Amino acid sequence: KAGVTQTPRYLIKTRGQQVTLSCSPISGHRSVSWYQQTPGQGLQFLFEYFSETQRNKGNFPGRFSGRQFSNSRSEMNVSTLELGDSALYLCASSLVLAGVLTQYFGPGTRLTVL
Amino acid sequence: AQSVTQLGSHVSVSEGALVLLRCNYSSSVPPYLFWYVQYPNQGLQLLLKYTTGATLVKGINGFEAEFKKSETSFHLTKPSAHMSDAAEYFCAVSDPPPSGGSYIPTFGRGTSLIVHP
Repeated sequence: KAGVTQTPRYLIKTRGQQVTLSCSPISGHRSVSWYQQTPGQGLQFLFEYFSETQRNKGNFPGRFSGRQFSNSRSEMNVSTLELGDSALYLCASSLVLAGVLTQYFGPGTRLTVL
Repeated sequence: AQSVTQLGSHVSVSEGALVLLRCNYSSSVPPYLFWYVQYPNQGLQLLLKYTTGATLVKGINGFEAEFKKSETSFHLTKPSAHMSDAAEYFCAVSDPPPSGGSYIPTFGRGTSLIVHP
């Protein structure tokens, strides 16, 4: 099976702009989670979608939003970008195996805000 | 609520030496525990996981970890380090999911493993 795909891999934006990142999960996986990774804060959970519904949400401002489509592909959007939003954004595709939710991560999108 | 502490942001070993990366957790229920590895410019890859049963868990690339409930630890070890093991390692903890399989893991801050020739 193909792995998790994230596009674009690299992105440069300026403050105040908005950005949309895309994630295609592994075929058959219905859960997609998003994480922000920075040197200062480590890996922080943004939100999780399952069957087009947001099932869990982390402690991020409303500028961060997401959605999931019927084919399980997911997008996350960040509006009014701030310098502190510069980070690696990771998407994880998940499957329940023997009662355990196992996550498979994509390579990430490196966002730089100038 | 769970939390994870990874002792040492950097661990340096010589090639062929024992690798020991430390992870301690806190959780109100018996947890699920995970170790992930991240190579430069890549996402996280699952090395191994503990859910229930045998407390010594073997993973990929020769790594293993032991769940010690009394010490609330889940340290990662490898008998002999290889240059290709140089990467960032993350420990994660989660509560067992309710029916439906939803959970949110908490990640440690990561430990960078440096392997010297």
